[in-house]
Amino acid sequence: DTAVSQTPKYLVTQMGNDKSIKCEQNLGHDTMYWYKQDSKKFLKIMFSYNNKELIINETVPNRFSPKSPDKAHLNLHINSLELGDSAVYFCASSPQQGWGNTIYFGEGSWLTVV
Amino acid sequence: EDQVTQSPEALRLQEGESSSLNCSYTVSGLRGLFWYRQDPGKGPEFLFTLYSAGEEKEKERLKATLTKKESFLHITAPKPEDSATYLCAVQANLRNQFYFGTGTSLTVIP
Repeated sequence: DTAVSQTPKYLVTQMGNDKSIKCEQNLGHDTMYWYKQDSKKFLKIMFSYNNKELIINETVPNRFSPKSPDKAHLNLHINSLELGDSAVYFCASSPQQGWGNTIYFGEGSWLTVV
Repeated sequence: EDQVTQSPEALRLQEGESSSLNCSYTVSGLRGLFWYRQDPGKGPEFLFTLYSAGEEKEKERLKATLTKKESFLHITAPKPEDSATYLCAVQANLRNQFYFGTGTSLTVIP
């Protein structure tokens, strides 16, 4: 019954590999996000999609590519993983993009690059 | 530059010892201020939204208030289960995106 679900929860991989994190929301929301949380708990937005269209694309290396097949799914693909990519990645959604819309987060995906 | 600062970084309280967490912000065109609770190994869980100065919201032992430059999360008679990291986020005018603070890690000791 999870509202925003993402898989895998834990991912350990070697430098240079390519990996994907999948996200699905069953809230009927129009907007989905990817956030990155570093070791100091700082949450920073990476991407925002509204109805499958890219709205926000912060200064993220182009090794990170989001894909939204429909408005309930937003996957994150990462090429050529680097040590500095180790972090927790949160998928989130909100009813719409705009004023006063609460963002609801998934449980996170812990990525460790070795 | 838009900024959100939370203090203290960490707070240890005895059970029943009330206190407040602070979130100060410098953004142009505040659209909303949000409080979240994050437990270890979990995603942030939504607590409150405040939209204008003077507004207050309450939920169990938590009460959030908002002024033009900061928000407080007051915790009354906390219990050990209130231990978590509390995150503040502001939604600013220009792109309506969220800016998060780095959180306050609260530990309530029985």
